[in-house]
Amino acid sequence: DSGVTQTPKHLITATGQRVTLRCSPRSGDLSVYWYQQSLDQGLQFLIQYYNGEERAKGNILERFSAQQFPDLHSELNLSSLELGDSALYFCASNMGSSSYNEQFFGPGTRLTVL
Amino acid sequence: DQQVKQNSPSLSVQEGRISILNCDYTNSMFDYFLWYKKYPAEGPTFLISISSIKDKNEDGRFTVFLNKSAKHLSLHIVPSQPGDSAVYFCAAIEPGTYKYIFGTGTRLKVLA
Repeated sequence: DSGVTQTPKHLITATGQRVTLRCSPRSGDLSVYWYQQSLDQGLQFLIQYYNGEERAKGNILERFSAQQFPDLHSELNLSSLELGDSALYFCASNMGSSSYNEQFFGPGTRLTVL
Repeated sequence: DQQVKQNSPSLSVQEGRISILNCDYTNSMFDYFLWYKKYPAEGPTFLISISSIKDKNEDGRFTVFLNKSAKHLSLHIVPSQPGDSAVYFCAAIEPGTYKYIFGTGTRLKVLA
């Protein structure tokens, strides 16, 4: 158990809808990262937050947004969903004090868009 | 364009033998690399890392080798055990950022 929790575990929705994925980092970690893993793909970095502020951005679509709250949990919002958004979404956390800190991953949320 | 590539999607090895997983990268500025292991229905877990100032790092049965001139790294598992069966991801840290660039993974199956 990495100490990172993600909810829900599974999500099934329809095209055009909006969903929110939630992540609670390990106790003491200030940084949260979001990744998308599509079928047969590696993990694609989406976005990073550090202590409530956006720190780094990857190939995150404009239809996607995220935020980190004062209690350090984070939410990833996906809107106007398309079939291609079906994927595993992982959250990871670490202290964030150095880019060389290993990241601890949650179990993921499997999103299916029908 | 994939900056980190794992060209073997799968690998099967007999228990007790050596497993060698390979990873190539294109950006010569990458200076830190990590290997993660992933079991089904779980998130990736950190295995071992290496800085570009080293060419080898060892942790128990796991050794990572880095060849900077070839832009290649490999993970050796000796001896391989059935519990090592998982998907292994190689990752590099993009310099000046906090981004991990992951490869597509290699599925290792260790046969008893």
